[in-house]
Amino acid sequence: AQSVTQPDIHITVSEGASLELRCNYSYGATPYLFWYVQSPGQGLQLLLKYFSGDTLVQGIKGFEAEFKRSQSSFNLRKPSVHWSDAAEYFCAVVPYNQGGKLIFGQGTELSVKP
Amino acid sequence: DTEVTQTPKHLVMGMTNKKSLKCEQHMGHRAMYWYKQKAKKPPELMFVYSYEKLSINESVPSRFSPECPNSSLLNLHLHALQPEDSALYLCASGRDTEKLGKLFFGSGTQLSVL
Repeated sequence: AQSVTQPDIHITVSEGASLELRCNYSYGATPYLFWYVQSPGQGLQLLLKYFSGDTLVQGIKGFEAEFKRSQSSFNLRKPSVHWSDAAEYFCAVVPYNQGGKLIFGQGTELSVKP
Repeated sequence: DTEVTQTPKHLVMGMTNKKSLKCEQHMGHRAMYWYKQKAKKPPELMFVYSYEKLSINESVPSRFSPECPNSSLLNLHLHALQPEDSALYLCASGRDTEKLGKLFFGSGTQLSVL
């Protein structure tokens, strides 16, 4: 079945530590890939996206993500986490040839320890 | 102006009421979306409008009726809702559904059905 999976429901990291959030997808053709962040009671903000080309993508707020076709993964990373990064993070896909149909993974809640 | 504005922010309604959610953007976007998000869950796509025409309906019950009166406005008419319809309703817009570069999300309407 076609799906986008975020294996970690909740992650806690210390402020200043590095972060990696995992995302795997299962689609016949590589979909368009996105990471969004949602603070409590808020809408979603796009961090970065991958359509094609360079597999390491830079985003806003110091985030980056790496597309690995062999692993069907698009993991989000940040070298040094700030307390303000605590939020819900969603990996999302637009399946090939389904323009407009943005589908979200289950989300990973990030907590940051002082 | 890079905002998607949703009104009202909160809405409480009875199961026999008729109400409407409103979404507005002035970025010249021609794709507009309704998503439903339950607590601790990812957003679920409901409807997509492309150039003021409904292009995707994700098998949403008829008690939800979308309307796109012009390129800046998107409404969601609600009638005879059930308590399980209580959720955060998010509106989003994008340049168009083919060039899915970035979706801008509103902060949502928190709906409670009693």
